Amino acid sequence: EVQLLESGGGLVQPGGSLRLSCTASGFTFSNNAMNWVRQAPGKGLEWVSGISASGDKTHYADSVKGRFTISRDNSKNTLYLQMNSLRAEDTAIFYCAKDKGISGQNPYFDYWGQGTLVTVSS
Amino acid sequence: DIVMTQSPDSLAVSLGERATINCKSSQSVLYSSNNKNYLAWYQQKPGHPPKLLIYWASSRESGVPDRFSGSGSGTDFTLTINSLQAEDVAVYYCQQYYSNPYTFGQGTKLEIK
Repeated sequence: EVQLLESGGGLVQPGGSLRLSCTASGFTFSNNAMNWVRQAPGKGLEWVSGISASGDKTHYADSVKGRFTISRDNSKNTLYLQMNSLRAEDTAIFYCAKDKGISGQNPYFDYWGQGTLVTVSS
Repeated sequence: DIVMTQSPDSLAVSLGERATINCKSSQSVLYSSNNKNYLAWYQQKPGHPPKLLIYWASSRESGVPDRFSGSGSGTDFTLTINSLQAEDVAVYYCQQYYSNPYTFGQGTKLEIK
């Protein structure tokens, strides 16, 4: 059974940093591209970032480019999202999502974690 | 960016009846070289993450009941739920994966009448 377990969310002040983690099990992690998708409270879904199966290619939404960094450790079956210079508008549930593909281009998401809440507030 | 617009924002359908949700993209998501539409549909129930229902506009994900179907091409797409069940109450999202950023529609809330 595929499982994705996010951690690292919490309350942070504007301008602060957080690192999210997503630990995967139940599939060959190194064979799939991975992504982060967020959902502001009571709002819709926003794709944030993606990374190829090998980790050599990354993609970002313009809203987070230059502030967020996606990475992965295939030896630990873990996906990361380093978030710097956080803003109030980054407040959201962050979901780790598995891409059905390998390259990370043209991703759609066949498995999702339960999400971790990030709150940016003073 | 490709803007995805769903209609209606909400709808109420009687049990056993058909629900139809529309999704329109601001530009075509049909890739001519492989004749595939880069369009997916998701279902999200309260307090849960989204669940993939349909990809390539009309391919049903494994385990999804066959009362769910997707259709359309280019810029206009439809998710149809036949014989609505109580467990289908949810918010439904379309998503284009044709080009970065990979955008979602605003969601359609489906309720029982």
